[in-house]
Amino acid sequence: GNSVTQMEGPVTLSEEAFLTINCTYTATGYPSLFWYVQYPGEGLQLLLKATKADDKGSNKGFEATYRKETTSFHLEKGSVQVSDSAVYFCALSDKSSNYKLTFGKGTLLTVNP
Amino acid sequence: DAGVIQSPRHEVTEMGQEVTLRCKPISGHNSLFWYRQTMMRGLELLIYFNNNVPIDDSGMPEDRFSAKMPNASFSTLKIQPSEPRDSAVYFCASSQSGTNIQYFGAGTRLSVL
Repeated sequence: GNSVTQMEGPVTLSEEAFLTINCTYTATGYPSLFWYVQYPGEGLQLLLKATKADDKGSNKGFEATYRKETTSFHLEKGSVQVSDSAVYFCALSDKSSNYKLTFGKGTLLTVNP
Repeated sequence: DAGVIQSPRHEVTEMGQEVTLRCKPISGHNSLFWYRQTMMRGLELLIYFNNNVPIDDSGMPEDRFSAKMPNASFSTLKIQPSEPRDSAVYFCASSQSGTNIQYFGAGTRLSVL
């Protein structure tokens, strides 16, 4: 079956630091990959996505590249802000699972001023 | 667009009581998902509907949980009787079939005393 493994948090960084949150996946088909973000007290919202190998998703300064050879979709940002403090979820979806989302456990990011 | 609307935002009840959570999906979306989020288990898919029909309820923890979608604009998740271990944040999400992008509501925080 499908599964997503992401680095355990919490991750604490200073403002303007470089961020990497690792994510690897196992899928039986050819999945689409996603990063969702959950700000305190809110629901999850889509941050970025990639639908095929070598695609790069990007949004709000965040990037992630779909690497089929390493089954990875690591999230990066060159300079984090305090407002980026949130929980980040890696997820996948494919036809074999009727397009249900399979989520990782989430990584809590705290950015200090 | 109003987004996915959930009510109530917070619910506090006593063990044994019936709890009903409500969700209004985004207009035009024909898939609806109910999730539960806890610190211990992370984000779990409970059930999802396509065109108002339950497709997969394998995540529903036990018979105390039931979900309905009487029409395209409304769904309920009921817990009867409730237990303290049901305390969690419950999210509803909706999507258009085939797009595999889910839009989440703000969640209902349930506390069972």
